[in-house]
Amino acid sequence: DAKTTQPTSMDCAEGRAANLPCNHSTISGNEYVYWYRQIHSQGPQYIIHGLKNNETNEMASLIITEDRKSSTLILPHATLRDTAVYYCIVRAEYNFNKFYFGSGTKLNVKP
Amino acid sequence: NAGVTQTPKFQVLKTGQSMTLQCAQDMNHNSMYWYRQDPGMGLRLIYYSASEGTTDKGEVPNGYNVSRLNKREFSLRLESAAPSQTSVYFCASAPGAGGTGELFFGEGSRLTVL
Repeated sequence: DAKTTQPTSMDCAEGRAANLPCNHSTISGNEYVYWYRQIHSQGPQYIIHGLKNNETNEMASLIITEDRKSSTLILPHATLRDTAVYYCIVRAEYNFNKFYFGSGTKLNVKP
Repeated sequence: NAGVTQTPKFQVLKTGQSMTLQCAQDMNHNSMYWYRQDPGMGLRLIYYSASEGTTDKGEVPNGYNVSRLNKREFSLRLESAAPSQTSVYFCASAPGAGGTGELFFGEGSRLTVL
C-alpha cells in the first residue's frame, strides 16, 4: 500500500472550514483513500473514503486531485468536538485486511 | 447495539505474567483486527483474521498470539508480558471482502506492565 504524509498538527477557528491535507504520491490505480479520526483516546471512527471522484457525506467532504497524488479532507464548519487526530490511509481494494494507520494530523479547533 | 466489545478495559500486570484480551463483535463481520497504540503514536497492526479459522501477522506481532475462536470472537494473548507491551489495545472488525472497507473499533483496553 502507498505511504501517506500528513502534517503533524493544524489549528482551525471554530465555525470555519478545516482543510486537512494528505500526500500519497505513490498511490496506484486500485488504491482507495480513507480518512478516520480519533477523538481523545477513543477508538478511531470512519469518516469517508474515495477512489478518484470527490465524495461528500454528513461528516465531511473528500477532494482527491486529478492525478490522485494528494487529497484534502474538509470539515465545512469545525466545532470544538472536531478536535481529534485525523488519519489518512491508502489501501488497495484487494488488500482489504492490511489497514495501516500512520501518525495522523492533530487538529485543534479553537474558540 | 453493542458493536465491538473489549474486555478488560484496564489491566495491570507484572513482567512475565500472562493474560488474554478478549474481543467480540455482533455485526456478523468476517474480518477482525488487533492494534496497539503507544502514547502520542498512531495505531500499529498486531494481528488480523480475514475470516473464521485464519490469522495473519501485522506490523508488530512479536510477543503476541491470537485465536479466532469463532466468527464473533478474536482474542489476543500475551504469554510473558514485558514493559514494552504497555499500551492501549484496540480491537476492530470489518465486513471483509466486498464491504466498504470501514473498520469498527472497540473502546480500547489499557494495559500497564510493571
